[in-house]
Amino acid sequence: DTEVTQTPKHLVMGMTNKKSLKCEQHMGHRAMYWYKQKAKKPPELMFVYSYEKLSINESVPSRFSPECPNSSLLNLHLHALQPEDSALYLCASAPSGTWGIREQFFGPGTRLTVL
Amino acid sequence: DAKTTQPTSMDCAEGRAANLPCNHSTISGNEYVYWYRQIHSQGPQYIIHGLKNNETNEMASLIITEDRKSSTLILPHATLRDTAVYYCIVELTGNQFYFGTGTSLTVIP
Repeated sequence: DTEVTQTPKHLVMGMTNKKSLKCEQHMGHRAMYWYKQKAKKPPELMFVYSYEKLSINESVPSRFSPECPNSSLLNLHLHALQPEDSALYLCASAPSGTWGIREQFFGPGTRLTVL
Repeated sequence: DAKTTQPTSMDCAEGRAANLPCNHSTISGNEYVYWYRQIHSQGPQYIIHGLKNNETNEMASLIITEDRKSSTLILPHATLRDTAVYYCIVELTGNQFYFGTGTSLTVIP
């Protein structure tokens, strides 16, 4: 199994809703990443988990809450989002627990719309 | 920190070599150059990386100038499936990295 899966593919939520994005990989990778990508812009790093511990938080608002329950699973909990948070949310994993851009495997993303 | 500069867009005829340039004039001696691409509606895909020497794999070749201030990604025989946004990224000391704005490559039949 050499892929990163993300669910759901699409999500529409209101500003008062609570929802979660899920990311899974079964490649034994030890680093996992969340990115946010607005239309026609490059991905922006949000969070990095290394060996299931949060290593990097790029000053992301607290309405985004990451969780890494085990080495294969990464969640992003969403609460009280704003319309400007509408974007493609990408998950990635990498073999090495030392985080960086090196050889990351990306999932297809969840397209989030906040109404 | 080493930012990258790439042309906004390029066209390439199908079957010809696509040469995508990247400037990284402030790169430091131990900072790697990585290339990823993102096909429409998909997540980015790793292509290749290098430090000083030229590199080749099944997808592409990477040519890095001797002074390391620029590099070129070469897709030897471009196909329509190579139409994508190509990102040149420098991994800074301390593992930090930033995606640049990328080059939108269109392969024309």
